[in-house]
Amino acid sequence: EVVMTQSPATLSVSPGERATLSCRASQSVSTNLAWYQQKPGQAPRLLFYGASTRATGIPARFSGSGSGTEFTLTISSLQSEDFAIYYCQHYYNWPPLFGQGTKVEIK
Amino acid sequence: QVQVVESGGGVVQPGRSLRLSCVASGFIFSSYGMHWVRQAPGKGLEWVAVIWYDGSNKHYADSVKGRFTISRDNSKNTLYLQMNSLRAEDTAVYYCARTGFAELGWFDPWGQGTLVTVSS
Repeated sequence: EVVMTQSPATLSVSPGERATLSCRASQSVSTNLAWYQQKPGQAPRLLFYGASTRATGIPARFSGSGSGTEFTLTISSLQSEDFAIYYCQHYYNWPPLFGQGTKVEIK
Repeated sequence: QVQVVESGGGVVQPGRSLRLSCVASGFIFSSYGMHWVRQAPGKGLEWVAVIWYDGSNKHYADSVKGRFTISRDNSKNTLYLQMNSLRAEDTAVYYCARTGFAELGWFDPWGQGTLVTVSS
């Protein structure tokens, strides 16, 4: 199985600053990667699929990049509603595994 | 709008059974694969099971294989998860989610989740 590792575990950022989150796969998953945002008490929400294709309604300040084993989620200017936990997930083969998450908190 | 709504969670004793349901609306249910994903309290996301759009194929996480059964009734737009021989480590919020494209894909949308607590 392909193991996903996210870093850092926690990212402290001030509103208006840039946030860069990383996701690494234990073997190449091509661009078969999705990103989700989860706020407390809510279900996850799809942000990106295909590593860089923005889901419907996702603001342009969010961007996804990468292929193979290294992926990045960037939030260009953090807004108050962006403080949440972010998960990556591969769908290269079975089972489709998630990373352990990165918590983006207010600095 | 496209949505899925889970139900059936609750408190159950170890070794007992529980069946979760997920009702879909706003899309052609019979055209999409469907998944269950769970999240233990304070923990990350764990994929549980998938069923093909027509029920012809299923996959399970090793942690639930042989104990959980995923099924669907396309005439009722409903997905199920039969959970047998429940353990304390099965305690989690269980989400159903539609697959984004092929059965092996991203998950969108997700339901609000239903909490299963396994405790004596």
